[in-house]
Amino acid sequence: SQQGEEDPQALSIQEGENATMNCSYKTSINNLQWYRQNSGRGLVHLILIRSNEREKHSGRLRVTLDTSKKSSSLLITASRAADTASYFCATDVNNDMRFGAGTRLTVKP
Amino acid sequence: NAGVTQTPKFQVLKTGQSMTLQCAQDMNHNSMYWYRQDPGMGLRLIYYSASEGTTDKGEVPNGYNVSRLNKREFSLRLESAAPSQTSVYFCASRGGPRAWDTQYFGPGTRLTVL
Repeated sequence: SQQGEEDPQALSIQEGENATMNCSYKTSINNLQWYRQNSGRGLVHLILIRSNEREKHSGRLRVTLDTSKKSSSLLITASRAADTASYFCATDVNNDMRFGAGTRLTVKP
Repeated sequence: NAGVTQTPKFQVLKTGQSMTLQCAQDMNHNSMYWYRQDPGMGLRLIYYSASEGTTDKGEVPNGYNVSRLNKREFSLRLESAAPSQTSVYFCASRGGPRAWDTQYFGPGTRLTVL
């Protein structure tokens, strides 16, 4: 079964707004990663947060991790139309990678 | 650097046929992975190879075999294709001097089994 579960399944916002996506998982992990996938393309790595970290930033991205709740969130600030894509969280347990079903983000210009 | 390359890009098979999907990376990475992605779903791990000479089953290994031919190449074989194996297959690699944790993905192979 899939380890990560993203919420919401779909999100539609206006350009300039912030987008928040959540990920829940079931077992202890080494790290959690977020990826973006544009339609019909491969996945692109966005950010990784280790199990002993609580928050990480990269440009307009902010990721949090709560290991007690087994959950993570991805915040994209000041969204752009180019951010329209599917976003996946992936848990890493000793090289065994498990992805969630993803959040489909649409940013309207 | 080409990164991760996959061949072929598209393939149509009949039920029962066999084929091998090829994957190569030129980043000197230690680990390589094969995933499948069905419509509207996330990726599911088929097999992975943590290092040259080792392979391990992932979440959905049934119906597939893999070979880690050398450090660069990791192939996925379907011995007797079934319609349930219609999917997009992605290869990925990771493990280098400055990008140990990041997975780099190939462009994918779209496989249809009739």
